[in-house]
Amino acid sequence: GQQLNQSPQSMFIQEGEDVSMNCTSSSIFNTWLWYKQDPGEGPVLLIALYKAGELTSNGRLTAHFCITRKDSFLNISASIPSDVGIYFCAGSSGGSNYKLTFGKGTLLTVNP
Amino acid sequence: GAVVSQHPSWVICKSGTSVKIECRSLDFQATTMFWYRQFPKQSLMLMATSNEGSKATYEQGVEKDKFLINHASLTLSTLTVTSAHPEDSSFYICSARRAGLSTDTQYFGPGTRLTVL
Repeated sequence: GQQLNQSPQSMFIQEGEDVSMNCTSSSIFNTWLWYKQDPGEGPVLLIALYKAGELTSNGRLTAHFCITRKDSFLNISASIPSDVGIYFCAGSSGGSNYKLTFGKGTLLTVNP
Repeated sequence: GAVVSQHPSWVICKSGTSVKIECRSLDFQATTMFWYRQFPKQSLMLMATSNEGSKATYEQGVEKDKFLINHASLTLSTLTVTSAHPEDSSFYICSARRAGLSTDTQYFGPGTRLTVL
């Protein structure tokens, strides 16, 4: 089946620093989604990308849907303590079942 | 918004009992809902796809007779864990896809923590 390689697995940064994480697939996706999950909660949608080459921002977050359609990046600028959590990328290759393939997540820790 | 709720948020039950978890889309209609299972420090594992008015589609290795799914309306899907055992203890999360849209975006519920004693 399809697989997403998400990296890094974890990050420890100081408050105020910028963060970058990415996902790579061996196959093409038509949609890339980035979610954040806090402990004991469900994932919350951060950014949705629907077009190859698209660059979309949501506040301090910026995500890129690479033109190859096999990669996506998420950048967080000027990190704050509440950015702590697990970030998941998810991709969909379309089709009638609308299933998502998830990366294994990036655990972000922000030191005040 | 796109709000999805789950009930209960947590449940503790004895081995052998059945547990029902509800997933509701509060401010939109969802023709497709999904049920996931998540173990500690792991990613989400899709269990089944639930389509309104039809049978659910289960992923390989998921027992359909153990995890009963019903999607009776455009805003409600239920997952029943039958004859639960301790190994069924996990975090169960549902998601919903908006009806009428061709996008694959899924909105997730807050999850249900199931503990089987």
